[in-house]
Amino acid sequence: DSGVTQTPKHLITATGQRVTLRCSPRSGDLSVYWYQQSLDQGLQFLIQYYNGEERAKGNILERFSAQQFPDLHSELNLSSLELGDSALYFCASSRGAPDGPTANEQFFGPGTRLTVL
Amino acid sequence: AQKITQTQPGMFVQEKEAVTLDCTYDTSDQSYGLFWYKQPSSGEMIFLIYQGSYDEQNATEGRYSLNFQKARKSANLVISASQLGDSAMYFCAMREAGRDSGYSTLTFGKGTMLLVSP
Repeated sequence: DSGVTQTPKHLITATGQRVTLRCSPRSGDLSVYWYQQSLDQGLQFLIQYYNGEERAKGNILERFSAQQFPDLHSELNLSSLELGDSALYFCASSRGAPDGPTANEQFFGPGTRLTVL
Repeated sequence: AQKITQTQPGMFVQEKEAVTLDCTYDTSDQSYGLFWYKQPSSGEMIFLIYQGSYDEQNATEGRYSLNFQKARKSANLVISASQLGDSAMYFCAMREAGRDSGYSTLTFGKGTMLLVSP
């Protein structure tokens, strides 16, 4: 158990819908990262937050957005869902600033498996 | 060009034998980090080992060691004395520091599926 929690574990929804994935980082971790793992694209970095502030964006679609709240939990919002959005979405956390020495190790949550029908 | 290349889609090894999973990387940064993660069939990503670009010694964590050859830009994972529970997908990843505001992201390879047989 990494200490990172993600809810829900599974999510099944229809095209065009909107969903919210939630992540609670390990106690004391200030950085949160979101990744998408799909069969065709592999594991891809989406977005990163540090202490409530967005620090980096990867291959995140405009239909997707995220935020990190004052209590450090984070939410990933996916809207106008398409079949191709079906994937495993991971949240990871690390202790310090993304560019600091303690950012070396990212602890991953169990993931949310999203199925879009 | 791909930043992380794992050329072995699948590997087979017998229990108790050692196995090497290959990883090559591409970066122009001087400061970077290399990671290996394990993903069993249950889906979670488990951190195994880390190597910093300035670390002179190869990283070791129990049965895992990282064979870091900086000039060749390779960071192979060596698992000694394989166990049945080692059967999983293994991902190599690289952290590069950002150039403007200061950030780091992980770029993953496509993974190698390791199957350990009795």
